[in-house]
Parts: sequence; C-alpha cells; structure tokens
Amino acid sequence: RKEVEQDPGPFNVPEGATVAFNCTYSNSASQSFFWYRQDCRKEPKLLMSVYSSGNEDGRFTAQLNRASQYISLLIRDSKLSDSATYLCVVNSRQAGTALIFGKGTTLSVSS
Amino acid sequence: ETGVTQSPTHLIKTRGQQVTLRCSSQSGHNTVSWYQQALGQGPQFIFQYYREEENGRGNFPPRFSGLQFPNYSSELNVNALELDDSALYLCASRDGTVGNTIYFGEGSWLTVV
Repeated sequence: RKEVEQDPGPFNVPEGATVAFNCTYSNSASQSFFWYRQDCRKEPKLLMSVYSSGNEDGRFTAQLNRASQYISLLIRDSKLSDSATYLCVVNSRQAGTALIFGKGTTLSVSS
Repeated sequence: ETGVTQSPTHLIKTRGQQVTLRCSSQSGHNTVSWYQQALGQGPQFIFQYYREEENGRGNFPPRFSGLQFPNYSSELNVNALELDDSALYLCASRDGTVGNTIYFGEGSWLTVV
C-alpha cells in the first residue's frame, strides 16, 4: 500500500464549479500535512498547510481527519487558472523533514 | 523567486553514463533534499543533507549519491544510468527549523536513452 493515496482523476470541471480532492495516508505517525500545486513541467509549489481544525484560504478549504487518516481539499468557484495537478503531501518525524507525496490529481477547468 | 536554482535544466544521457546535477540554495538554508519525479508520478524522496552530512535516505540504490558544500550548493550524482532514471530531479532547501517552508528549485529534466 502506498503511503499517500489520492483520487486518480483527472477531474474535468466547468468554470465556477466546486471540486473536492481526497487523500489518505497510511502512517499514523504523520504529523504535518500539505497540499501542493504543480503546473505542467514545473516544480511543486505549496498551496496550503492542513491543520486538524481545518483551514481556509480564499476559495480553498483543507480538512484533516487524523482518526481516519484522511485529508481533503475543496476548491470553490473554480477558475481556469486552477488547472494543475494537486499533490497531497505528508511528513512524519520518522522521515525527518522528507516529504512523502501522493501521485497527484489533475484538475482541468474549462470555460 | 524561491532562491533555489538548479542546473542544467535539461539534459540527455546514454544508458550506463554518469550524471551530476547541481543545486544552489539560499544563504542559511543548511538542509537540502533531492527528489525524483517520474512522468505521471509524485516526487519521490532520494536523500537529504544537513550541514554537509547525509541524514536521511529514501528507497534509492547506492548509485544515487550526493554532496553538500559549505556555500549552500549541492550535487546529485547518478552512476550507471538506466532508462528508468529518466525523470525530473528536484532540489528542495530549508533553513533546518522544523515547520519552515521548503523551497523547490525548477528542476532538472534528465532523459536517458
């Protein structure tokens, strides 16, 4: 079983749609959680950290359920510029500061 | 933007050859990690250096090796290249404090033919 698993995608949605990505992780010792965004042939960039209480950044909302080892990302009012691959990422003290990435879910927003 | 620069940006090597990829980090960023991202996959952790010593390694064979230098630059060396080594290689740096942001370089695209 992979350490971090994500919805396979791709997700194809119209502008203005709400889309949700799901992610599960296998290591219960995981302590830090992130969503990264990666544009085609570019480096990953931090979208947001994910906290147990849930957190929101504009149109983006992230949730963490430690009991279920589940992370989600909700994007409201999708824009064309949201088209990218979204990577679920975890880190545990056992792994030092190494990040464990999921395979990524591709989002395509069309007009 | 991130202060992390990688070179070369693209290169093509032949199976069996050796390659050295370079990374230059921000001043004060004494932790550097390298990741391999194959097409359609997420980045995979190769190894990490802290103050010029390797202090973490992923599931990669010994032919993947690295160096970190006092001037915050680092290298990834891969010997005996295989076709499956074709990937984007990403360098990431941070200042070593837990919780601080990790900064990725734009990566080096390696194609092995």
